[in-house]
Amino acid sequence: AQKVTQAQTEISVVEKEDVTLDCVYETRDTTYYLFWYKQPPSGELVFLIRRNSFDEQNEISGRYSWNFQKSTSSFNFTITASQVVDSAVYFCALSDLEVSSSNTGKLIFGQGTTLQVKP
Amino acid sequence: DTAVSQTPKYLVTQMGNDKSIKCEQNLGHDTMYWYKQDSKKFLKIMFSYNNKELIINETVPNRFSPKSPDKAHLNLHINSLELGDSAVYFCASRGAGGFYEQYFGPGTRLTVT
Repeated sequence: AQKVTQAQTEISVVEKEDVTLDCVYETRDTTYYLFWYKQPPSGELVFLIRRNSFDEQNEISGRYSWNFQKSTSSFNFTITASQVVDSAVYFCALSDLEVSSSNTGKLIFGQGTTLQVKP
Repeated sequence: DTAVSQTPKYLVTQMGNDKSIKCEQNLGHDTMYWYKQDSKKFLKIMFSYNNKELIINETVPNRFSPKSPDKAHLNLHINSLELGDSAVYFCASRGAGGFYEQYFGPGTRLTVT
């Protein structure tokens, strides 16, 4: 069965600190997608990044970076120089690659990590 | 220019009532979903639709009946509402051809009293 674990329930940092959100996943599939979503206090779910299983290259986007390690089934997310606007719940998720009669492409979410960035 | 829209945003109703939530996407996606987010923020898939056809019902009670009149719309009808149905319901759509991220609607907060 597929499973995503975000062991950190809540993290609190002071502005400008770096913070890493952990994500560990389980799947028997050899091809799959991993995602991060942000849910700010306003409630919407905002897509941040998609990574497929055959691309282990790390990615950086501004203050955000992602470290995908297939060997440890982890897809961690680092925010550099955190800001108050980064305060949100962050979700890691896993899905099938294709939609077919047996694969729905649904997202399996982790429990979420609540990040609080204090001024 | 909203990609995925849902109505209503808030829904307050009494136990036993029937209610509907509407979802529309203008992204041209073939695949749509309903997710439920409980009070602990846990997000769980409810239904998956592809080209207007139900792919899977993730063990959701029969009181929940999704309907897809066309590929752009996926509505959710709930009969005989119960207290435990109180949650935020999100609609989402998924692209194809290598663009597989899911885009979510703003959510509908359902409160059953």
